[in-house]
Amino acid sequence: GAGVSQSPRYKVAKRGQDVALRCDPISGHVSLFWYQQALGQGPEFLTYFQNEAQLDKSGLPSDRFFAERPEGSVSTLKIQRTQQEDSAVYLCASSRSQGEFVGELFFGEGSRLTVL
Amino acid sequence: GENVEQHPSTLSVQEGDSAVIKCTYSDSASNYFPWYKQELGKRPQLIIDIRSNVGEKKDQRIAVTLNKTAKHFSLHITETQPEDSAVYFCAASIRGTTDSWGKLQFGAGTQVVVTP
Repeated sequence: GAGVSQSPRYKVAKRGQDVALRCDPISGHVSLFWYQQALGQGPEFLTYFQNEAQLDKSGLPSDRFFAERPEGSVSTLKIQRTQQEDSAVYLCASSRSQGEFVGELFFGEGSRLTVL
Repeated sequence: GENVEQHPSTLSVQEGDSAVIKCTYSDSASNYFPWYKQELGKRPQLIIDIRSNVGEKKDQRIAVTLNKTAKHFSLHITETQPEDSAVYFCAASIRGTTDSWGKLQFGAGTQVVVTP
């Protein structure tokens, strides 16, 4: 596609519900990242995939957060038993680069999650 | 881990004037410093980046300077225009190792308002 696509753009969940956020990276991009952006703050790293391998999940705030990229393309971020503090914009970014090469990260528009 | 501090949090300038945003980082191993522009409700977009082996980089009205000794870097926008109004984020990361590639640590952001 022309850019990184995320869905849904907006999600309202009741506390305790499970949610799934989808990211379609730019075709051929090896690297995929998830970031969490709270209102008025900079994005915070959550997790990193290189193809289908999840190489870094150190930013996931709790075991309620789970991400996968089974075929090395589309990725899903799942949040179980949502809490109000999970309310944020979840940004996905991809890059064709990997390893040492410094490459640009292309961000999606984000999925805005509001937990009531 | 890396900590990035960004100042000021808001910046109001007259059209045509210059704008300067400053960031400091804590990890001397950081070697890649991108700047992102984010308009309200939109995705962050890379506007310029610099690697640690370069002290200054310029792209038309935008320039970035890096002082590795002092661990700070700055964004300079000259001849500001109303379309420069947005939130600007600095970031730092350590490139070159698989487990930390692309793990950008962002500053809190600077809201720039350019008044005609």
